[in-house]
Amino acid sequence: LAKTTQPISMDSYEGQEVNITCSHNNIATNDYITWYQQFPSQGPRFIIQGYKTKVTNEVASLFIPADRKSSTLSLPRVSLSDTAVYYCLAQTEAGTALIFGKGTTLSVSS
Amino acid sequence: EAQVTQNPRYLITVTGKKLTVTCSQNMNHEYMSWYRQDPGLGLRQIYYSMNVEVTDKGDVPEGYKVSRKEKRNFPLILESPSPNQTSLYFCASSFRGLAGGQTQYFGPGTRLLVL
Repeated sequence: LAKTTQPISMDSYEGQEVNITCSHNNIATNDYITWYQQFPSQGPRFIIQGYKTKVTNEVASLFIPADRKSSTLSLPRVSLSDTAVYYCLAQTEAGTALIFGKGTTLSVSS
Repeated sequence: EAQVTQNPRYLITVTGKKLTVTCSQNMNHEYMSWYRQDPGLGLRQIYYSMNVEVTDKGDVPEGYKVSRKEKRNFPLILESPSPNQTSLYFCASSFRGLAGGQTQYFGPGTRLLVL
């Protein structure tokens, strides 16, 4: 299983773009990169998933370079409600055992 | 409404008294799993199940049991709870998303205190 490494915390201000980088040096060929968001005392919520290049949805973009050893979650124009913990996972398509890690705590201030 | 439900949401018990936390999903997902979350340790997977009658250990399975007799249900059993199992527990189920990988849906959590 590929282990992921993320910064423990990040700070930002409302309206700014936030980029959270995740390192996964040992990612396997059939692993996908998935990001989840978690608010206190709630279950994590799926944000975005990708395999390579760039994926964009209504809330975020995910950039994965060709070597796939890292990925970057981009949150455009964050608001106070984006304050949460963000987890990066490298998981197989079959989605067997998953390692969440400690995540990145994003704090957005006004 | 598509959802994962857990019961109970809050539970206080004493050491050694067997308990079961139920988990049910109405999305016909094949994959289900249990996690515990503790301050400073993030989410750690306890057990997972790829399908009915198929279960396997995650990162921290000691002291827990699971069963998967039906597709929709995946109960977590603590045969003899101990104080170090005091934690916030999440159940999750998943399907294969558009990108090809699994997309997990999480339940609301069960906060357990073992005295």
